[in-house]
Amino acid sequence: GENVEQHPSTLSVQEGDSAVIKCTYSDSASNYFPWYKQELGKRPQLIIDIRSNVGEKKDQRIAVTLNKTAKHFSLHITETQPEDSAVYFCAASTGYQKVTFGTGTKLQVIP
Amino acid sequence: NAGVMQNPRHLVRRRGQEARLRCSPMKGHSHVYWYRQLPEEGLKFMVYLQKENIIDESGMPKERFSAEFPKEGPSILRIQQVVRGDSAAYFCASSPAGMDIQYFGAGTRLSVL
Repeated sequence: GENVEQHPSTLSVQEGDSAVIKCTYSDSASNYFPWYKQELGKRPQLIIDIRSNVGEKKDQRIAVTLNKTAKHFSLHITETQPEDSAVYFCAASTGYQKVTFGTGTKLQVIP
Repeated sequence: NAGVMQNPRHLVRRRGQEARLRCSPMKGHSHVYWYRQLPEEGLKFMVYLQKENIIDESGMPKERFSAEFPKEGPSILRIQQVVRGDSAAYFCASSPAGMDIQYFGAGTRLSVL
């Protein structure tokens, strides 16, 4: 089955700096890669996703890149703000089936 | 359009009792997924269901756990004879047919005393 690894497990950045979270996946058939943000005690919320026919996708301060050959994808958050502090999960799916999640990155943005 | 609804939000059970967790998917969604999250850990897939069918239950323990998604009504995750190790947050997600984007409910936090 699919295995998703995520690094780092914790990340502290100064407000205004950029944050990068990296994930690798094992199943070359995976073609859908969502990213979720989970605040303490809350539900995971989809913040951005990318499909295997696209190399990069951007939504305001958030961008995701995908390297199919190397089987890794990354989340980039620019101009971080305190409200970006949360746990971020990457995930991979072969479509219409279960999604395999990474172990999460706890991001702390220091004011 | 109401989101994915889970109830109860908090559930306390004593060891040996049964726990029933309910999930109503978003309107128009026919696929339901259940995940378990232990404190400070990630989301672990348990089971994927469509109406009246279990599609993938590879993440569900073979004993004491069962899930259903009947033709009418919510999806139910049932845990029999609960043990302390079952204490966790259980999240349900749903997606429409033909799409892989999953939307999560607020979760049920199960505490086993």
